[in-house]
Amino acid sequence: ETGVTQTPRHLVMGMTNKKSLKCEQHLGHNAMYWYKQSAKKPLELMFVYNFKEQTENNSVPSRFSPECPNSSHLFLHLHTLQPEDSALYLCASSQDGGLGETQYFGPGTRLLVL
Amino acid sequence: AQKITQTQPGMFVQEKEAVTLDCTYDTSDPSYGLFWYKQPSSGEMIFLIYQGSYDQQNATEGRYSLNFQKARKSANLVISASQLGDSAMYFCAMREGRERRALTFGSGTRLQVQP
Repeated sequence: ETGVTQTPRHLVMGMTNKKSLKCEQHLGHNAMYWYKQSAKKPLELMFVYNFKEQTENNSVPSRFSPECPNSSHLFLHLHTLQPEDSALYLCASSQDGGLGETQYFGPGTRLLVL
Repeated sequence: AQKITQTQPGMFVQEKEAVTLDCTYDTSDPSYGLFWYKQPSSGEMIFLIYQGSYDQQNATEGRYSLNFQKARKSANLVISASQLGDSAMYFCAMREGRERRALTFGSGTRLQVQP
């Protein structure tokens, strides 16, 4: 595997379910990110992890719970979601590089909450 | 105020023609980086090109170039010799300052290349 991978690619869940999204990066980067992309809205940053430590939480509701066990893996645990949480969830990674530090994205998980 | 503004929701271009996608930004930080990403229908965001606020020359990467006008706070993407595979959403993004690692994205422009 190369780059940034995400599983599952598609997920349908009910509002009472608990599910997890997984992201893995094979680039040796030290930072990982979760973004949410809703229809007709710009990408919204959710969380930033730097060397496994959460450095940004963009006022995300507690029904989204991130976990970063190491610099290569990032999870997003989901519980009691709402239909408006249906979106494309994108994971990205990057390596220290100053202003030009480039984020590389995974293919995303398309989530539908019923 | 929006940090990144992309005023063209959709654009059409003929194959082999050049096209310019507009992006304006708003920041008071003298240090910032500007990025363009391409998102095909498959969903993955693909990095295209980067321009730093202190860079003296416009960035170029193959058929992509960035028309950076600092005083006007614009960073337009120019795609030369458009190909059918260029049809996608294009997003402009900015990193403000050297400490913050997150990117702020614009709303995107959907480009359709016509044969």
